[in-house]
Amino acid sequence: NAGVTQTPKFRVLKTGQSMTLLCAQDMNHEYMYWYRQDPGMGLRLIHYSVGEGTTAKGEVPDGYNVSRLKKQNFLLGLESAAPSQTSVYFCASSWTSGSSYEQYFGPGTRLTVT
Amino acid sequence: GQSLEQPSEVTAVEGAIVQINCTYQTSGFYGLSWYQQHDGGAPTFLSYNGLDGLEETGRFSSFLSRSDSYGYLLLQELQMKDSASYFCAVRDLGSGNTPLVFGKGTRLSVIA
Repeated sequence: NAGVTQTPKFRVLKTGQSMTLLCAQDMNHEYMYWYRQDPGMGLRLIHYSVGEGTTAKGEVPDGYNVSRLKKQNFLLGLESAAPSQTSVYFCASSWTSGSSYEQYFGPGTRLTVT
Repeated sequence: GQSLEQPSEVTAVEGAIVQINCTYQTSGFYGLSWYQQHDGGAPTFLSYNGLDGLEETGRFSSFLSRSDSYGYLLLQELQMKDSASYFCAVRDLGSGNTPLVFGKGTRLSVIA
């Protein structure tokens, strides 16, 4: 099993450009999450999904949109990138709400917005 | 809401024991998780305490005291490969679907 995979691994955007980050998991997990990690800030939740077709806002949702059309995929979109969105983005998944204390993370996407 | 406090940096000698503390304030509480992250890598799950007391997994142990809103991660027989950042995380009882909230992490440096 590949676990959680993320595409792309690196990306450089100019301010105002858009992009989509793809997360895929092959563990049949119900829950999926998008985090951003900035130096000294730990992991902050952007959006999450508790099942196919559902999404919910996390701690820092502004400037991002998400979709969960298939159970195994969770997409994160930036419609108009800003330098403040320069960060490392991690996707994660877990079985259910009751086991969300154990999340499986992807390798991350390093995004730079110039 | 939730608030977690953990030291930003800890340095320890190879072979020694180190304890990383985590204090939290939440409106409710399910349990305390710990994650490890090496530089350039992804966070990986280490342990979970749903009840008070000590949980042991090899060289790593984790402790929780709900009455003190406090937990810690104990690493024994430190090895150079244990140099990493360690995050505590809690899940609030405020909502059945509330995901984890992570602390800002403790960077552990193991020196020879």
